Amino acid sequence: GIQVEQSPPDLILQEGANSTLRCNFSDSVNNLQWFHQNPWGQLINLFYIPSGTKQNGRLSATTVATERYSLLYISSSQTTDSGVYFCAVEDMDSNYQLIWGAGTKLIIKP
Amino acid sequence: DGGITQSPKYLFRKEGQNVTLSCEQNLNHDAMYWYRQDPGQGLRLIYYSQIVNDFQKGDIAEGYSVSREKKESFPLTVTSAQKNPTAFYLCASSHKGNSRFQETQYFGPGTRLLVL
Repeated sequence: GIQVEQSPPDLILQEGANSTLRCNFSDSVNNLQWFHQNPWGQLINLFYIPSGTKQNGRLSATTVATERYSLLYISSSQTTDSGVYFCAVEDMDSNYQLIWGAGTKLIIKP
Repeated sequence: DGGITQSPKYLFRKEGQNVTLSCEQNLNHDAMYWYRQDPGQGLRLIYYSQIVNDFQKGDIAEGYSVSREKKESFPLTVTSAQKNPTAFYLCASSHKGNSRFQETQYFGPGTRLLVL
């Protein structure tokens, strides 16, 4: 099955800084999603982005499907951006289940 | 408001006891999912259902059971056969259960299960 690797595993930044999170996947995918999990455990979908670039406010994401990676950009970080960011891809060999990376834990210091 | 609710927020299980976690959605979604999350880890799929009265095992179904009698509800039972049940359990739903491709998944707030 597909392997999903996220980097870095941990990231500590000052408020206002920019950051780039990376997701590598080992095989072709039809679907890639980015999620944010807040410190209380709530998961929110950020982007559904199998290819191309999308932007939503201070967040943007780019997926280069041919090179099997996706990037999540966070600009002008705020303390509310803290939490864990997950990348999940669809595994066509496993009845289209989502396969999750281990996440990047982001801490934004005031 | 539309959304997914899970109850209880915290659940304690004694040895040999079966416990049931509730998941309800009013989003009119066809598909529902149960995931397990261990500390510092990503999510692993336990069971999923694409339509009422049908469900499939995920990667870690052993020791768990589910039912899907109504579109809105997808309860998960953690049986005594699950020897290491302490974890954070997340329920999710998505719109097109029978679509070839996954749709965006929406998550409930989760249930933390602890073994006494």
